Amino acid sequence: QSALTQPASVSGSPGQSITISCTGTSSDVGSYNLVSWYQQHPGKAPKLMIYEVSKRPSGVSNRFSGSKSGNTASLTISGLQAEDEADYYCCSYAGSSTYVVFGGGTKLTVL
Amino acid sequence: QVQLVQSGAEVKKPGASVKVSCKASGYTFTSYGISWVRQAPGQGLEWMGWISAYNGNTNYAQKLQGRVTMTTDTSTSTAYMELRSLRSDDTAVYYCARAPRAASPFDPWGQGTLVTVSS
Repeated sequence: QSALTQPASVSGSPGQSITISCTGTSSDVGSYNLVSWYQQHPGKAPKLMIYEVSKRPSGVSNRFSGSKSGNTASLTISGLQAEDEADYYCCSYAGSSTYVVFGGGTKLTVL
Repeated sequence: QVQLVQSGAEVKKPGASVKVSCKASGYTFTSYGISWVRQAPGQGLEWMGWISAYNGNTNYAQKLQGRVTMTTDTSTSTAYMELRSLRSDDTAVYYCARAPRAASPFDPWGQGTLVTVSS
């Protein structure tokens, strides 16, 4: 069982927007603005999409955005494209004992 | 460009050890750390630990304390992860990723190394 809770799957049609939630606790997501999101296509290494809750690395489309409220972080993908179909993982710093926790992952299907 | 290239797939028997390498290029190795993350077949990501390439300081996941050792060789810009007393549930793809600190995001990632533990 993962430390952070994500929905197992979400889906949307091309052009639509979807949001993936990531629920933690006051010991991780709720305490630090150190939430990141990773995209993983089948058989490939993960790719950083969002860091520090809402920052986008250079080269990542502005269709990807992140936010946080309390113990829940969210990833929103607008203008869905077929290439967005992948697994998405959230990740949070959890203090100097546990350090890093991941969500269980969400499979995004573009219909 | 920043790149991390990992060693090839390994097959080990239960109780053995494995050492995976991660060679960095395209940046100043000692200005960052390296995190290790693993992914069991069909499962999610699991953080294993982080090592500073500057001074060798490490932070390990509590679950792996005592079985994992992370090291670096600054002369070759290579990081290593050794896992001992292997069990079948250690079968996974092991990734290295650049991270300035243990709390930092992982970017970029190596291509992954499949470690299979089987008798």
